[in-house]
Amino acid sequence: EIVLTQSPGTLSLSPGERATLSCRASQTVSDTFLAWYQQKPGQAPRLLVYGASNRATAIPDRFSGSGSGTDFTLTISRLEPEDFAVYYCQQYDPFPIFGGGTQVEIK
Amino acid sequence: QLQLQESGSRLVKPSQTLSLTCVVSGNFINSVGYSWSWIRQPPGKGLEWIGYIYHTGSTYYNPSLKSRVNIAVDKSKNQFSLRLNSVTAADTAVYYCARVEMVQVYFDFWGQGILVTVSS
Repeated sequence: EIVLTQSPGTLSLSPGERATLSCRASQTVSDTFLAWYQQKPGQAPRLLVYGASNRATAIPDRFSGSGSGTDFTLTISRLEPEDFAVYYCQQYDPFPIFGGGTQVEIK
Repeated sequence: QLQLQESGSRLVKPSQTLSLTCVVSGNFINSVGYSWSWIRQPPGKGLEWIGYIYHTGSTYYNPSLKSRVNIAVDKSKNQFSLRLNSVTAADTAVYYCARVEMVQVYFDFWGQGILVTVSS
């Protein structure tokens, strides 16, 4: 069973800064099945990126996904106040699994 | 716009059965290429996939929960359901229903979630 490890656990940044979130798989995975979600307190997760690099509907272009093999990255080019949240990566092999999450907090 | 809404018992006693229903708006439950899933999140923790069901009725469950889980679909009512038996305090969580795109397997629409507490 694949394990997804997200780092860092917490990222402290200021609005306007660039955020780089990592998701590392315990073995090579297909980028076809790598997705990213954003979750704010008291809300359901929201799909941001699927297929490692495809933005979901209505997701701003400051969010971008990249990576392949075992290493995947979610980048937020310039943090807006509404971007401070928890972010999860998700893979499918042989069933859906989630990483432990990265919290992006205001510095 | 697709919408999902969970409902069910919010307090369940240990050893009993947790039962939840998710109503899907419109006729989306018959959509080809999608399945319908349950995911849970213990308070302050991460996400755990429970299982999913196709409109055909085929089901797939998380191996760690498989012996206790049943997911069913009622297309006439545009809803699907979750039953989790022999619950313990470890099953206390927010339970989400969601739609799954099955080519690239991602969760594109989610319900708002329902907190279920297991306590005597």
